[in-house]
Amino acid sequence: NAGVMQNPRHLVRRRGQEARLRCSPMKGHSHVYWYRQLPEEGLKFMVYLQKENIIDESGMPKERFSAEFPKEGPSILRIQQVVRGDSAAYFCASSPPSIDTEAFFGQGTRLTVV
Amino acid sequence: AQSVTQLGSHVSVSEGALVLLRCNYSSSVPPYLFWYVQYPNQGLQLLLKYTTGATLVKGINGFEAEFKKSETSFHLTKPSAHMSDAAEYFCAVSARGSTLGRLYFGRGTQLTVWP
Repeated sequence: NAGVMQNPRHLVRRRGQEARLRCSPMKGHSHVYWYRQLPEEGLKFMVYLQKENIIDESGMPKERFSAEFPKEGPSILRIQQVVRGDSAAYFCASSPPSIDTEAFFGQGTRLTVV
Repeated sequence: AQSVTQLGSHVSVSEGALVLLRCNYSSSVPPYLFWYVQYPNQGLQLLLKYTTGATLVKGINGFEAEFKKSETSFHLTKPSAHMSDAAEYFCAVSARGSTLGRLYFGRGTQLTVWP
């Protein structure tokens, strides 16, 4: 059973471009979470999704950021018109439907905005 | 609201010495508690968790943590440090009744192990 797969592992974008980060959850996992890690900081929750539904987006910036988890395919975190402050490591985690099972993290996508 | 405080952003110990990483939480109701480890350029790996039952929890790699409700603490310990323990450690909580993937993290403690 493969773990949580994130791609790309490293992404470089120029200011103003779009960044698309992909996350394939573990087999049997229908819950996906996105976290952002800024330098010298812990992980900050961004969004929690189930298939075709956004459950909690309280940590998402109000503009330029969006997330989806379609019925088929990976979850996508999309950042439009990136700025230097978006440079960070973005981690995806997944968990099965039961709420008492911990989430498993991917290796992250390191976004650099130049 | 949940919050987590990790005392000491950097901890250094000698190989073979006791490891103690401190974590305190703030929550109106005792939450679920976790310790994660992150190696350079890697994702997070769960070391241990406390949800219910025995307050002393044993995890992987010889680590353990004790939930102390009166102190709102969940400190991580290991009797004897190994070079391979050098990494960043994160304490996290999730609210009871919430999914365990919805986590509030501390800022992390970087553990250095000297030979």
